[in-house]
Amino acid sequence: ILNVEQSPQSLHVQEGDSTNFTCSFPSSNFYALHWYRWETAKSPEALFVMTLNGDEKKKGRISATLNTKEGYSYLYIKGSQPEDSATYLCARISSGSARQLTFGSGTQLTVLP
Amino acid sequence: EPEVTQTPSHQVTQMGQEVILRCVPISNHLYFYWYRQILGQKVEFLVSFYNNEISEKSEIFDDQFSVERPDGSNFTLKIRSTKLEDSAMYFCASSERGDTDTQYFGPGTRLTVL
Repeated sequence: ILNVEQSPQSLHVQEGDSTNFTCSFPSSNFYALHWYRWETAKSPEALFVMTLNGDEKKKGRISATLNTKEGYSYLYIKGSQPEDSATYLCARISSGSARQLTFGSGTQLTVLP
Repeated sequence: EPEVTQTPSHQVTQMGQEVILRCVPISNHLYFYWYRQILGQKVEFLVSFYNNEISEKSEIFDDQFSVERPDGSNFTLKIRSTKLEDSAMYFCASSERGDTDTQYFGPGTRLTVL
């Protein structure tokens, strides 16, 4: 994998469903992975910064895991609510460039009431 | 809660004109960034700034671009002679420290070059 890729591109779920999506990234020279939640016309909101292989982070109903050896991270949302509707972005930092975020194209989540 | 602010929210300019996009980072943050997103594409890094100088820049950040921290609160991005392909959403971000620290983003300035 050369770039940061996210899947699926978009997702529709019913209120109350749990869901997850994937961020894949180059495993070489890995330094950190950031997750953001971005609603239209608002600032991207920082969710997690993950650095260690096997890291798991949680914020309310949202959690994320990290596998640096195989180059992927999962974001989980438990019991989705309409207010969870947003684009979820992941961004990688490589060890050669400690401040430059390289973004995926995002997963657009729509939670239907 | 402290937040990054950006002005204007939307800027329309003619090709060849200079534009200055303004940002007020979070007050105790030391690292500042500009990113942009061309419609339909990924968010791309432009430049990072620390201690009054550029610490990293991407290939996009050529001689047409410059950044400045003119006072203790503002952080600006100047595009000297805008091109059609500069049309994008420009995001400012700041972090307290570098490395793995969270980068906090502003809401963006939409730049339209006609």
